[in-house]
Amino acid sequence: GNSVTQMEGPVTLSEEAFLTINCTYTATGYPSLFWYVQYPGEGLQLLLKATKADDKGSNKGFEATYRKETTSFHLEKGSVQVSDSAVYFCALTLNTNAGKSTFGDGTTLTVKP
Amino acid sequence: GAGVSQSPRYKVAKRGQDVALRCDPISGHVSLFWYQQALGQGPEFLTYFQNEAQLDKSGLPSDRFFAERPEGSVSTLKIQRTQQEDSAVYLCASSPSGGGLVGEQFFGPGTRLTVL
Repeated sequence: GNSVTQMEGPVTLSEEAFLTINCTYTATGYPSLFWYVQYPGEGLQLLLKATKADDKGSNKGFEATYRKETTSFHLEKGSVQVSDSAVYFCALTLNTNAGKSTFGDGTTLTVKP
Repeated sequence: GAGVSQSPRYKVAKRGQDVALRCDPISGHVSLFWYQQALGQGPEFLTYFQNEAQLDKSGLPSDRFFAERPEGSVSTLKIQRTQQEDSAVYLCASSPSGGGLVGEQFFGPGTRLTVL
């Protein structure tokens, strides 16, 4: 079956620190990969995506590269801000599954000033 | 513009009660998904509609769970004879894509169901 494994949290960083949240996946086919973010009190929203191997998704200073050889899609940001405090979810969708997504368990990030 | 809305936002039910959760997707979106999110976990797929057709209900945990989207717009997730293990946040998502194309999903705020 399909599964997504995320780095366990919570993660606490100081402002301007470098962020990495690891994500690896197992898929029976060729997936598209996503990072979603959930800010406190809000719904899930798409942060970035990549649809094929070696693609890099990027948004708001975050980036992740689709690595087929290591089945990974690690999220990185060079300098985090307090406003980045949220829960981050890695997800995959098989291109044959009409959009049905498999999510990781989420990683809570807290950024302190 | 309006996003995905869900109602109620919070629902407390006594064990054995039936509940109905509503989802209003973004207008014109073809695909609609329901997910269940337990505390501290990621969303788990329940069911998928393309317009009014329920194409996948493989994630529904039991025959007490039933979903419909009769006119291809608003959807209702019904849970009969609720049990404590049904306590979770129920998320609805819609997408403009359908027919096997993978597009961005837009999520609603969720309905938090607590079964006492």
